[in-house]
Amino acid sequence: GESVGLHLPTLSVQEGDNSIINCAYSNSASDYFIWYKQESGKGPQFIIDIRSNMDKRQGQRVTVLLNKTVKHLSLQIAATQPGDSAVYFCAENEGAQKLVFGQGTRLTINP
Amino acid sequence: GAGVSQSPSNKVTEKGKDVELRCDPISGHTALYWYRQSLGQGLEFLIYFQGNSAPDKSGLPSDRFSAERTGGSVSTLTIQRTQQEDSAVYLCASSFHRGQGGYTFGSGTRLTVV
Repeated sequence: GESVGLHLPTLSVQEGDNSIINCAYSNSASDYFIWYKQESGKGPQFIIDIRSNMDKRQGQRVTVLLNKTVKHLSLQIAATQPGDSAVYFCAENEGAQKLVFGQGTRLTINP
Repeated sequence: GAGVSQSPSNKVTEKGKDVELRCDPISGHTALYWYRQSLGQGLEFLIYFQGNSAPDKSGLPSDRFSAERTGGSVSTLTIQRTQQEDSAVYLCASSFHRGQGGYTFGSGTRLTVV
């Protein structure tokens, strides 16, 4: 079946550096993608989304890039802060209903 | 309320017992989803409700799992004859419309089957 996956299960960055979290998807028909942040003991929190008719979208300190040619999605976090430590999931909207989630990347911030 | 509310937050049950998990979505959200998250894993889709349409039950792992949504609002996920492999965090999410700001998740119910 179709699936969404992440290249790296863990990522460590220095505080203040930029973080890039990657995601590969396999369903070329997917037209909506979301990045979520999940802190320990909490539900996933929406960060940013992007439709397939766009290749870039910016939020506050975050940017999502979509490359439909290679079916790749990335989340860039600028000036990473300790509060950014969490597990990050990309999710793909399959059809008009359910989101398909990847396994997640754990982001650790080094002081 | 302001967010998606799930209860209980933690549930420990004996193998073979039935459990009910509750989700109160954000008022006005027409779509409601249940996901399951095992320790250190991603989110596994279980079931989706959209307005008055028939629910998408394609993710339910067995006939021991069922869910209902009363009056287009509160939803209950029921697991009958619980097994140890049912232990996980069960997450509920709601949305107003697909493509508008994603889905808002509750904090989940941590189910432990002993």
